[in-house]
Formats: sequence, C-alpha cells, structure tokens
Amino acid sequence: QVHLQESGPGLVKPSQTLSLTCTVSGASITTPDHYWSWVRQPPGKGLEWIGYMSYSGSTYYSPPLRSRIIISADTSKNQLTLNLTSVTAADTAVYYCARDLNRGLDIWGQGTLVTISS
Amino acid sequence: DIQMTQSPSTLSASVGDRVTITCRASQSISRWLAWYQQKPGKAPKLLISEASSLESGVPSRFSGSRSGTEFTLTISSLQPDDFATYYCQQYNSYSRAFGGGTKVEIK
Repeated sequence: QVHLQESGPGLVKPSQTLSLTCTVSGASITTPDHYWSWVRQPPGKGLEWIGYMSYSGSTYYSPPLRSRIIISADTSKNQLTLNLTSVTAADTAVYYCARDLNRGLDIWGQGTLVTISS
Repeated sequence: DIQMTQSPSTLSASVGDRVTITCRASQSISRWLAWYQQKPGKAPKLLISEASSLESGVPSRFSGSRSGTEFTLTISSLQPDDFATYYCQQYNSYSRAFGGGTKVEIK
C-alpha cells in the first residue's frame, strides 16, 4: 500500500525559504511512469498545482512559481523535497504531495500547513 | 499555458437532486481530465480520470463526460456524503492546472 507523508516546519519567516519533505512508502519514487506532484491550498481557497518530479528525475514547475521552486529527490531515502524561496504571506497554505500516474493524482499525503509570518 | 474554468463556484442542492458541474479547458486537452472530491480538512480524492473513467470504489452515481473542451461531472442522485467541494484538473500538458472548484452545499 502506497503512503505519502509530508513533513517540515509549520512556520517560516517572510523572505526565507520554505522546505518540505515528502516521504514515500510502499513504492519507489523511481518506479517507471510514476510522477510525484506538489499541490498547495491556501486557507479557504482552491487547489494550486505547484510542480512535479518524474521517476527519471525530470521536473516541471507551474509557470507562476517557476522562478522560486526547486523539487529534488533523495532516492536512497525515497523522499522528495520542495524548496520555495522568497516566501510571502501569500505562500501560506496546506502543502500536499501526491502520486501522479499521468491519469490524475491518485494517492495523496495528509498535507501540512505552512504559515508565513514573522 | 492551459487554463481550466469551472462553474458554478457554488451550488445549492437537496438530497436526491441531479447535480452537474462543468469544467472548460482553454484549449484542447483531449480526454485528459480528472475530477476530485474534497471534504473539509481532508486531502482530495480522485473520482474520475480520462474524463469518464470511474475510479475503483467510487459510487456509480458519479459520472463524467466530455464534449470538445467542455467536461461535465454529474451526480445522478445527490447523497448526504456528496456535500463537498469538487475540482477538475487537466493533465494533457506538462502543467497540471486545477479548476477553481465547485462547492456543493445543502439547500
């Protein structure tokens, strides 16, 4: 059974870098045709797709966030990392990681709330 | 970049009603569209992929259809468990944009 778990600081200061980890169990992040997406949801608002990393390590980022995002992976730990630089209050959101099989996001983590505040 | 426009943003309905939610893509995405259900405080749940393919375990009262760049999620007879927010998402391009969401409320 595949399980995803997000982790990271719940509070980040403005202008700093938000860094979150997604630990995947039950499947290897290098399994062919698997993609691993990050999605966020500001309080009371809709879902925003942030970007993904593929099983081969290629990445694609949402154009509005492209200049501030890096998604990386540690295959030895079966983990993905999201780094978002120069954060502002507008980046306050619940951040999810999810498995993407190129047919929708079928398995999601529980999400982690990150608040941007001094 | 492909934009997804979802309507309505809010829908008030009663148990037993037939409910229809629409999602329109800004350009052709073939059938590469997914629908999700989200309840408060929970992660979204994938309901439908490839515009009309029901995920395992999803009740048959949910269905999806496509006409060109317009996609529809239909709930044939709304049940108490269906009051939630629904999102569409395209996966035709590298980007995976979501629609703005439709909240289905109790009338």
